[in-house]
Amino acid sequence: DQQVKQNSPSLSVQEGRISILNCDYTNSMFDYFLWYKKYPAEGPTFLISISSIKDKNEDGRFTVFLNKSAKHLSLHIVPSQPGDSAVYFCAASEDTNAGKSTFGDGTTLTVKP
Amino acid sequence: NAGVTQTPKFRILKIGQSMTLQCTQDMNHNYMYWYRQDPGMGLKLIYYSVGAGITDKGEVPNGYNVSRSTTEDFPLRLELAAPSQTSVYFCASSWGGWKNTEAFFGQGTRLTVV
Repeated sequence: DQQVKQNSPSLSVQEGRISILNCDYTNSMFDYFLWYKKYPAEGPTFLISISSIKDKNEDGRFTVFLNKSAKHLSLHIVPSQPGDSAVYFCAASEDTNAGKSTFGDGTTLTVKP
Repeated sequence: NAGVTQTPKFRILKIGQSMTLQCTQDMNHNYMYWYRQDPGMGLKLIYYSVGAGITDKGEVPNGYNVSRSTTEDFPLRLELAAPSQTSVYFCASSWGGWKNTEAFFGQGTRLTVV
């Protein structure tokens, strides 16, 4: 039973256009969501997060949207750049256990020049 | 700052052998984590620690052991290596839990069990 799902294994977009990466979750106890980016042969790095009390969080070119009723979140990258090409992981955690998080399987984003 | 340092970067083990994956952080973080990533999959939590002397199981703890005698170090022990433990292992640390602070990851240890 996968509690965090990223249904698109890959996404390809043109430089300058918008990239939209999606994530669905099933556990209604999740109340904090994060996006991590990973380049080959490196560890993941933190990108952006959102609390369940918000429906949007923005940081420069990156915006995360949360739809609690649909148990869905999305990451928007505008404009996309070739350096954004990486694997993006969605993760979620519960208020009752700060030490645990559940990751999705990742979406590989390719931004073409 | 070195951040989170994992050693070794690569290792090949024979079935039944044991080894310890080392992880150290120099950020004085309370929380430390061990994850494994199988090909095409996400990160699965093996064990985590909320401070020195305190550890707890994650999603996939079987076949592994951990200890946290200091704030800086969080080694992961494989006692009897099995082919199913072939994976990339990531150690991470954060000041608080996942809700409050950013977690920093090491570069990973690629382990192959043959």
